[in-house]
Amino acid sequence: EVQLLESGGGLVPPGGSLRLSCAASGFSFSSFAMTWVRQAPGKGLEWVSTLNYIGGDTYYADSVRGRFTISRDNSRNTLYLQMSSLRAEDTALYYCAKHDGANLGSHFDYWGQGTLVTVSS
Amino acid sequence: QSALTQPRSVSGSPGQSVTISCTGTSSDVGRYNYVSWYQQYPGKAPKVMIHDVSKRPSGVPDRFSGSKSGNTASLTISGLQAEDEADYYCCSYAGSPWVFGGGTKLTVL
Repeated sequence: EVQLLESGGGLVPPGGSLRLSCAASGFSFSSFAMTWVRQAPGKGLEWVSTLNYIGGDTYYADSVRGRFTISRDNSRNTLYLQMSSLRAEDTALYYCAKHDGANLGSHFDYWGQGTLVTVSS
Repeated sequence: QSALTQPRSVSGSPGQSVTISCTGTSSDVGRYNYVSWYQQYPGKAPKVMIHDVSKRPSGVPDRFSGSKSGNTASLTISGLQAEDEADYYCCSYAGSPWVFGGGTKLTVL
C-alpha cells in the first residue's frame, strides 16, 4: 500500500525557516518524480515544486523560487522541502504527491494527508 | 504561471449530468495531453479522477469522463450522485511544470 506521510509543519514567524519531510512507503521511491502542492486555508490547490526521480532536475513556482528548495534522499525514501524567508502568504497545508511515473508530465496518483505551515508573529 | 480558469460552482440534481470546464492557454492545456482532474472532500486530500485528458484510474466510476478541445478541458459527471458533491480541480502540465485551476464546488441539489 502506497503511503506518504508529511511532517515538519508548525508555527513560524515571518522570515523564518522550516523543513518539511515526506516519508514514502509501499513503492519504489527512487523510480518516481515527486511534487509538493499547497492549499491555503479555504483556497484552492497551488503547485509548489517538483523533483525528478533522480533528484537532479528541480522546478519551482514563481512564488517560491529562490526561497524554497526541494530535495530527496532515495536511500531514506524521503522527500524534503526546505523553506526559508517565509511569508504570511506561505501559510497553507502542504501536500506531498507521488507522480504516476518518472515522467514529469505524469499525474499525481497518491497524496499524503498534508502538514500545516502557519507563518505568523 | 497563471491558474487555469474554472467556474467557481456548478450544481445538478441526482441523476443529471454536469460538466466542469477548465480553460488554459496554448502553453498548457492546449499544448499537452497531460490534463488531470482531482476530487477533494472537505478536510481530505485530493484524489485523481481523470488523467491524461480522458483516462480513468482503476476504481473511479465510469460516470466520470474527461475531454479536451483546444485550450479547454472538461470533466463530465453523468448520473449525479449525492457522494459526488465535492470540490474539483483541473491540473495541466505546462512545462514549468504544473498549473492548477482555481477549483469548482459541485453541489448536488
